Amino acid sequence: AQKVTQAQTEISVVEKEDVTLDCVYETRDTTYYLFWYKQPPSGELVFLIRRNSFDEQNEISGRYSWNFQKSTSSFNFTITASQVVDSAVYFCALSEAQGSGAGSYQLTFGKGTKLSVIP
Amino acid sequence: DTGVSQNPRHKITKRGQNVTFRCDPISEHNRLYWYRQTLGQGPEFLTYFQNEAQLEKSRLLSDRFSAERPKGSFSTLEIQRTEQGDSAMYLCASSLGQGRDGYTFGSGTRLTVV
Repeated sequence: AQKVTQAQTEISVVEKEDVTLDCVYETRDTTYYLFWYKQPPSGELVFLIRRNSFDEQNEISGRYSWNFQKSTSSFNFTITASQVVDSAVYFCALSEAQGSGAGSYQLTFGKGTKLSVIP
Repeated sequence: DTGVSQNPRHKITKRGQNVTFRCDPISEHNRLYWYRQTLGQGPEFLTYFQNEAQLEKSRLLSDRFSAERPKGSFSTLEIQRTEQGDSAMYLCASSLGQGRDGYTFGSGTRLTVV
């Protein structure tokens, strides 16, 4: 069965500090997809990134960067020079290409990390 | 198209009553998902439609829950004889195919059973 662990429940940083959110996953599939979502207080989940299991290249998008390491089953997310607007709950999620029934590609989420950026 | 729309945003109901939620996905998206999120937890998968066909249901979806997607467009999620444990945020998501561009989530319907 697939599982996503986000060990950090809450993190507080001062504005302009860098912060890394950890994500460790478990899956028996060789083909799978990893995601990060942001959930601001309004409640809507905002898609940030999707990665497939065959692409271990790290990605940078503005102040955001992601480090995918299959050897440690981790998909960590770093925010550089954090801003108050980054305050939200961040979820890591996994979908299996083959393990889920009827090819649903359903997402399995971690419990989330609440990030508070203090001005 | 302004994204995935869910109605109502909030619903308070008495235990034992039936409730129905609606989700309008992005029009060209063929896949539609329902998730449930309780306080302090990540969303949990409930059910999935590809076009009008409901192809998968989670064990979380008891007999009191039913979902439909007539004509492969909007979807409804009905909970019969609500219980206090049903109190949660119900999220709808849609995608085109396997979600290569991610799954687009709605703002959710927050259900409170009193």
